[in-house]
Amino acid sequence: GESVGLHLPTLSVQEGDNSIINCAYSNSASDYFIWYKQESGKGPQFIIDIRSNMDKRQGQRVTVLLNKTVKHLSLQIAATQPGDSAVYFCAEKNNAGNMLTFGGGTRLMVKP
Amino acid sequence: EPEVTQTPSHQVTQMGQEVILRCVPISNHLYFYWYRQILGQKVEFLVSFYNNEISEKSEIFDDQFSVERPDGSNFTLKIRSTKLEDSAMYFCASSGGQDYGYTFGSGTRLTVV
Repeated sequence: GESVGLHLPTLSVQEGDNSIINCAYSNSASDYFIWYKQESGKGPQFIIDIRSNMDKRQGQRVTVLLNKTVKHLSLQIAATQPGDSAVYFCAEKNNAGNMLTFGGGTRLMVKP
Repeated sequence: EPEVTQTPSHQVTQMGQEVILRCVPISNHLYFYWYRQILGQKVEFLVSFYNNEISEKSEIFDDQFSVERPDGSNFTLKIRSTKLEDSAMYFCASSGGQDYGYTFGSGTRLTVV
């Protein structure tokens, strides 16, 4: 059938709960990873990044975990708020250049 | 906080016409990029620009596309002869280096009719 666009996985959480958004990447040569938040009609907004020599990095209410063995990245948001509702993308950069490759995205819906 | 600024926010053009999308990257950044996002799809890389030349480009960035940094502040994407399938959000981004500070603008929505 005709593709009408990307079907986004959706994570629905209650306000105040913690959220975990996952991302699998395929390029073992990727050495830098970024999580972006995208609200409707806006550009990707930087949340947090991590280099491949680390496995965890914390920011304000957010934590990124990197598991290079299984090529998995996660974003944890503590005490999720309605303003966190958006689509979240992971992006990776390989060590041969500076191009970012984006994942398919996860829609986070926060219920008040 | 420094921002990447894009103009216009929305551009409607007829098929076959040339369009120029404009961007003002963050002033002390050295790497400049264009990405696009077709409605409901992933963000896709088009091109990166460093030291006044293209450093990487994707298969999407064919001969219809060109980039230019005409002065010390602007970075432009030109599509020579637009096609219907060029309709998308076009995002400019800049970074201070290869491993930090990738900041995106809020995009230009290009509609080709």
